[in-house]
Amino acid sequence: RKEVEQDPGPFNVPEGATVAFNCTYSNSASQSFFWYRQDCRKEPKLLMSVYSSGNEDGRFTAQLNRASQYISLLIRDSKLSDSATYLCVVNPTTSGTYKYIFGTGTRLKVLA
Amino acid sequence: DTAVSQTPKYLVTQMGNDKSIKCEQNLGHDTMYWYKQDSKKFLKIMFSYNNKELIINETVPNRFSPKSPDKAHLNLHINSLELGDSAVYFCASSQDRRGRQPQHFGDGTRLSIL
Repeated sequence: RKEVEQDPGPFNVPEGATVAFNCTYSNSASQSFFWYRQDCRKEPKLLMSVYSSGNEDGRFTAQLNRASQYISLLIRDSKLSDSATYLCVVNPTTSGTYKYIFGTGTRLKVLA
Repeated sequence: DTAVSQTPKYLVTQMGNDKSIKCEQNLGHDTMYWYKQDSKKFLKIMFSYNNKELIINETVPNRFSPKSPDKAHLNLHINSLELGDSAVYFCASSQDRRGRQPQHFGDGTRLSIL
């Protein structure tokens, strides 16, 4: 099983739709979780950190489910500008070495 | 006032050459990283330095040699470039080595080997 897994998509949704992505992780001791957005041929940009109680930033909501070992990202009222690849990042916190493990990304296309 | 800056942005060179990529961060972070993103878009960690100390060294050919003169700089030197080295190389930094804070990325160096 991969350390971090995402559905590659693409998710094609109309403008205004609500869309959700999940990301599963294998290491139950993982402590830190993030969602990044990457536009074509650009650098990953932090979208939001994911907190245990869940958190919201405008149209974006992130949730953590430790029991089932996944995090989710919900985007409400999708905009054309939301089209991008969304990367899930997990820090598995193995002793002594802290690495950020990236998922392969979920591609979102918001259609007019 | 770019937070993490890499140079050059584009690098086109021939097989067998030696090249360097530079990275600087002005965020006051302790930890810096090099990632490789290949044509399949997978971001893979190569190296990480914390306060000039190498802390992560993934299975990378020894043609790749990172150097950190101070905690704000992390450079990557590549010897004897091969076709398979063509990729986008991203530098990143984070506040510390514990991974509790997010990383910030430079805008990448697109390396093409002819």
